Amino acid sequence: NAGVMQNPRHLVRRRGQEARLRCSPVKGHSHVYWYRQLPEEGLKFMVYLQKENIIDESGMPKERFSAEFPKEGPSILRIQQVVRGDSAAYFCASSKRGGLNEQFFGPGTRLTVL
Amino acid sequence: QKEVEQNSGPLSVPEGAIASLNCTYSDRGSQSFFWYRQYSGKSPELIMSIYSNGDKEDGRFTAQLNKASQYVSLLIRDSQPSDSATYLCAVNTGYSNQFYFGTGTSLTVIP
Repeated sequence: NAGVMQNPRHLVRRRGQEARLRCSPVKGHSHVYWYRQLPEEGLKFMVYLQKENIIDESGMPKERFSAEFPKEGPSILRIQQVVRGDSAAYFCASSKRGGLNEQFFGPGTRLTVL
Repeated sequence: QKEVEQNSGPLSVPEGAIASLNCTYSDRGSQSFFWYRQYSGKSPELIMSIYSNGDKEDGRFTAQLNKASQYVSLLIRDSQPSDSATYLCAVNTGYSNQFYFGTGTSLTVIP
């Protein structure tokens, strides 16, 4: 029973480069959430997606950040032209039915921007 | 005002004691409540979910929900050193897709 998978686990980028973070949900889960966690801070919601649809992106910065969850393949969080302030742990969570239901987290991608 | 508030701790209890973790939330319409455990450098792990007023028990863990007072708590009985972690409270209002997370309470169980 595979859980949520994320890759890469660690990603180092220089300022101005692009970062691509991947998330494969639990098998049978069609709801994916992305969160960001800064050191000593709580988890902050970024975006909620279902297959081929962005349902809620209210937590995502308007510029440089985008997310997708294609019909086939993993969900991808893309950060263009990264800056040092983007350094954080990015977690993906999946849920079977969305809404009020439980979310299960992947191991996270730790992004470091030099 | 933050949506979800937790005492950051650290909370220290001796091994075998009961650890009590508390969380308050601001939106009276909140409908689902969750406790996650997060070890340092790791991802959050779901411990308990609770949707109705009262107590819900699962092994050594008991979640308590009081919607009138807008708080949810987690009791850990017979605390073990392996319970040392940060405990995150999460709340979903039902009309938002978001889980709102508290900043977590750091728990240390002393052998």
